[in-house]
Amino acid sequence: GNSVTQMEGPVTLSEEAFLTINCTYTATGYPSLFWYVQYPGEGLQLLLKATKADDKGSNKGFEATYRKETTSFHLEKGSVQVSDSAVYFCALRNSNSGYALNFGKGTSLLVTP
Amino acid sequence: DGGITQSPKYLFRKEGQNVTLSCEQNLNHDAMYWYRQDPGQGLRLIYYSQIVNDFQKGDIAEGYSVSREKKESFPLTVTSAQKNPTAFYLCASSPSGPIAEAFFGQGTRLTVV
Repeated sequence: GNSVTQMEGPVTLSEEAFLTINCTYTATGYPSLFWYVQYPGEGLQLLLKATKADDKGSNKGFEATYRKETTSFHLEKGSVQVSDSAVYFCALRNSNSGYALNFGKGTSLLVTP
Repeated sequence: DGGITQSPKYLFRKEGQNVTLSCEQNLNHDAMYWYRQDPGQGLRLIYYSQIVNDFQKGDIAEGYSVSREKKESFPLTVTSAQKNPTAFYLCASSPSGPIAEAFFGQGTRLTVV
C-alpha cells in the first residue's frame, strides 16, 4: 500500500544552519506530495506541495523536489530560524482512501539561538 | 473568514462514556477526514467522507462512528468501545481529487479519566 517514511527526530540545529529532512514514499502511480508543519498544540498547516515528477514546491524559504527515480521528497532550507521550530510531516494523497493524506511519523525540529 | 473549526479544544470524559467531537467547515469542500494523533505515531486516518451521506472507514475506525448529514459538518463520536481514546484528534477538509491540499482544524485534545 501507499506509505511515507521520514527521518526520525528530534533534529536540533543552530540558527542559520542548513536543514534537510528526508522523506521517501511507496505508492502506486504518481501521487501528489506534501509537507505540512505543526506548531505546539495546533493543527497542521500546508508548507508546500508538488503534484508531479520534477516539480519543486517552495514556501517561506523551504523547498522540496519531487524525485520519481528515488521516490523522495526531501525538505530543505538554507538558513533556519528559531521560529522554524515545529514538527514537520511529509504526506501523500492516497487514491485508495478517498485521497486522504497518508502521513509520515513527523520530524521534530528545534532551532536554538 | 473561511476555515475549518473544531470544538471543543479540550475535552475530558469519564471512562465508559461516549463523546462527540465537532467539526465544521465553510470552505464548500466535498471531502472531510478525521485523524488521530499520538506521540511518535504521526497521524492515522479514522474515517473519511467524500460526499454528503456517505463515509468510509479508515485505518483505525474501531470504536469510532461518524455522520455526514450536511456538507459543512462531520462529527466524530468516540464510543466506549474505543480502548484507548485519549489522544489529539484532527479534522480536515479538501476539494475532491488527487492534487488539492487539505485544510486542518486546530484539533481537540480528548482526555479520558
